[in-house]
Amino acid sequence: NAGVTQTPKFQVLKTGQSMTLQCAQDMNHNSMYWYRQDPGMGLRLIYYSASEGTTDKGEVPNGYNVSRLNKREFSLRLESAAPSQTSVYFCASSERVQGAGELFFGEGSRLTVL
Amino acid sequence: SQQGEEDPQALSIQEGENATMNCSYKTSINNLQWYRQNSGRGLVHLILIRSNEREKHSGRLRVTLDTSKKSSSLLITASRAADTASYFCATDYAGNMLTFGGGTRLMVKP
Repeated sequence: NAGVTQTPKFQVLKTGQSMTLQCAQDMNHNSMYWYRQDPGMGLRLIYYSASEGTTDKGEVPNGYNVSRLNKREFSLRLESAAPSQTSVYFCASSERVQGAGELFFGEGSRLTVL
Repeated sequence: SQQGEEDPQALSIQEGENATMNCSYKTSINNLQWYRQNSGRGLVHLILIRSNEREKHSGRLRVTLDTSKKSSSLLITASRAADTASYFCATDYAGNMLTFGGGTRLMVKP
């Protein structure tokens, strides 16, 4: 079982460029999440999708868009990257629809914006 | 912010000793979870304790929850070098979202 798979693992962008982070889970989970992790800040929720067809903003949604393509896939798009978006991005999934259950995380995507 | 806060931020102990990490949060929660993160890796779920539970065990892990003090503790007994990692508490206060603290970096020396 692959669990949660994120691509790419590493990416370097110039300010103003756009890119999409891909996430796929093979556990038939209903909910999916995108977090960012900055040194000393813990993880902060960007967007989440409680079920296929729905998306909601988290703590830090500005500068990002998401798409829940189907039950397996949840992508995160940066339309015009800024240096402040340099971070490690984690995708996670959960079986639960109501209430936050156990999260299963991917290995992370390390993004640097120059 | 509803973020939990871990204490201490860093902890260094010898193999075989116990490690205790604390988490404080600000509002009522549905459940509280603990996660481990090895360097450069994703987070791994350790244990979930519900708001109506006071203590939970899993192997060498013991988690307590005091809702009156809005705090939780994670105890790792007989620590091993392989326990070296960052540990995060996460609180579910609004339903579908988990809010993470800044983490405790644990170093276990052989």
